Amino acid sequence: KAGVTQTPRYLIKTRGQQVTLSCSPISGHRSVSWYQQTPGQGLQFLFEYFSETQRNKGNFPGRFSGRQFSNSRSEMNVSTLELGDSALYLCASSSGGGTRSVEAFFGQGTRLTVV
Amino acid sequence: ILNVEQSPQSLHVQEGDSTNFTCSFPSSNFYALHWYRWETAKSPEALFVMTLNGDEKKKGRISATLNTKEGYSYLYIKGSQPEDSATYLCAFLYGQNFVFGPGTRLSVLP
Repeated sequence: KAGVTQTPRYLIKTRGQQVTLSCSPISGHRSVSWYQQTPGQGLQFLFEYFSETQRNKGNFPGRFSGRQFSNSRSEMNVSTLELGDSALYLCASSSGGGTRSVEAFFGQGTRLTVV
Repeated sequence: ILNVEQSPQSLHVQEGDSTNFTCSFPSSNFYALHWYRWETAKSPEALFVMTLNGDEKKKGRISATLNTKEGYSYLYIKGSQPEDSATYLCAFLYGQNFVFGPGTRLSVLP
């Protein structure tokens, strides 16, 4: 069974540009969550999609957006990039409609560097 | 602001030592606590999902306990091996969102 796949693995962008990251969940998983990790910070929750609908959103500015397609693949977009957006972006998929007892499976992440 | 704390921040132990770390979380509105192991250059890997007060879970040499009334979970590693070197994260499920702790970085010296 293929794991969670994130593309690209590495990305360098310039301030002011926008970027789109992709996440393909494990087959059959309908929930995809996105996280940001910056140096010195723990994983910060961005948003979660379930069956093409954004179900939850963290405390990030509107420059961060996402969507989920009918095949459960998800994309995350960051517009007007700032230096502080340089981070490792992880996505995680799970099967559940509720996440209480269901583990999440993480991708290897996309390392975004904004210069 | 919801706080999930982990201690210690980092730990160095000798191969064969047993060790434990702590995850502290708000004791009200508990839904679930997840433990993950994150090795360098790899993806975080789920270790345990804990949902009930008093839960004790075990996987090989690693075990975890949960006390929801006082808001803490312990992760134990018995007979540490170099391959146990990783960052161990706990994640508190608040509503539908996970709030991650900052992690405990474990280094096991051969």
